[in-house]
Amino acid sequence: EVQLVESGGGLVQPGRSLRLSCAASGFTFDDYAMHWVRQAPGKGLEWVSGISWNSGSIGYADSVKGRFTISRDNAKNSLYLQMNSLRAEDTALYYCAKDGSDFPSAAAGLDYWGQGTLVTVSS
Amino acid sequence: QSALTQPPSASGSPGQSVTISCTGTSSDVGGYNYVSWYQQHPGKAPKLMIYEVSKRPSGVPDRFSGSKSGNTASLTVSGLQAEDEADYYCSSYAGSTVVFGGGTKLTVL
Repeated sequence: EVQLVESGGGLVQPGRSLRLSCAASGFTFDDYAMHWVRQAPGKGLEWVSGISWNSGSIGYADSVKGRFTISRDNAKNSLYLQMNSLRAEDTALYYCAKDGSDFPSAAAGLDYWGQGTLVTVSS
Repeated sequence: QSALTQPPSASGSPGQSVTISCTGTSSDVGGYNYVSWYQQHPGKAPKLMIYEVSKRPSGVPDRFSGSKSGNTASLTVSGLQAEDEADYYCSSYAGSTVVFGGGTKLTVL
């Protein structure tokens, strides 16, 4: 059974940093691209970032480029999102999602999602 | 990176069909056959319903179908059932990024 478990969320002040983690199990992690998708309270889905199976291809939404860094550790079956210079508008539930292919295009869809970890940016 | 355009709401009676549109540009929906659709029930994680415009993952009922014409993709739900009431999101590859639609709340009357 595929499982994606996010952690690392919490309350943080504007301008500070936070690192999210996603522990994957139930599939061959290094065969697939992975993504972070967020959802602000009561709002729609927003793609944040994606990374290929070997970290060779990475993409970011304009809203987080230069502030967020995605990474993965295939030996630990883990995905990460380093979030710096956090803003109030970054407040959201952050989902880790598995791509159906090894390239982060979501071409084959995001076929498995975690339950999310909540990030609240507030003073 | 503009969001894809979806109608905020759609509705239909049980047994009827409803179609949700998703309009983008030639840089996303029109440029790639990489459109996906997701269903999200309140308080739950999204679920993949359609990928590569019209393919259904294993376990998704064939009442759900997808299509695309130019810069607009569509999701059709046939034989509406009460459990289909949910939010639906389209997404598309946009060349190094992925973009989602704003979401459509489907109500089964």
